[in-house]
Amino acid sequence: DVKVTQSSRYLVKRTGEKVFLECVQDMDHENMFWYRQDPGLGLRLIYFSYDVKMKEKGDIPEGYSVSREKKERFSLILESASTNQTSMYLCASSEASGNTIYFGEGSWLTVV
Amino acid sequence: GENVEQHPSTLSVQEGDSAVIKCTYSDSASNYFPWYKQELGKRPQLIIDIRSNVGEKKDQRIAVTLNKTAKHFSLHITETQPEDSAVYFCAASIAGNTPLVFGKGTRLSVIA
Repeated sequence: DVKVTQSSRYLVKRTGEKVFLECVQDMDHENMFWYRQDPGLGLRLIYFSYDVKMKEKGDIPEGYSVSREKKERFSLILESASTNQTSMYLCASSEASGNTIYFGEGSWLTVV
Repeated sequence: GENVEQHPSTLSVQEGDSAVIKCTYSDSASNYFPWYKQELGKRPQLIIDIRSNVGEKKDQRIAVTLNKTAKHFSLHITETQPEDSAVYFCAASIAGNTPLVFGKGTRLSVIA
């Protein structure tokens, strides 16, 4: 059974703070993704990675960066959190040639 | 890039009735179309998918149809039950090549 773990489920951060959201998958998947979910806007792709140390911008990368130092771990970084980054963040992974993506439980971030 | 439109945004049906959710996509090169179900407070999970070489796929009470010419695909749920209440997302991609692009979601409520 695929497991994608987001270590922080609920966070409250102050404006301007640096925020790290961590994601680990245990299925040796090559591909990893970060999506943001907001009511009425669906799931929007922030960044993705098809290999270690590789990253690609998604549709809404502004204000975010990512790190993939190890195959199983994909971190989302908010360099200076702002209130408009209050949202639910979903990490996902898939095989290299696979299309099915498996989501983590999500991280609820509130920036005050 | 790909753009996926999903309708309706909310849908209420009586228990036992059918529900239909429709999506259109813009990139004619897209060939993989999954549907995800997200129950309240949980992660999105794949419920059915279809590839562009078939026109219809069924799995018990759910079915998906694809019209490549018109670039639209639909989810059909028959004999709806209260546990079908959730948010449903359609998505599209070029299999193994591009990340999934999601629609904005449909909140389905099944009224007992």
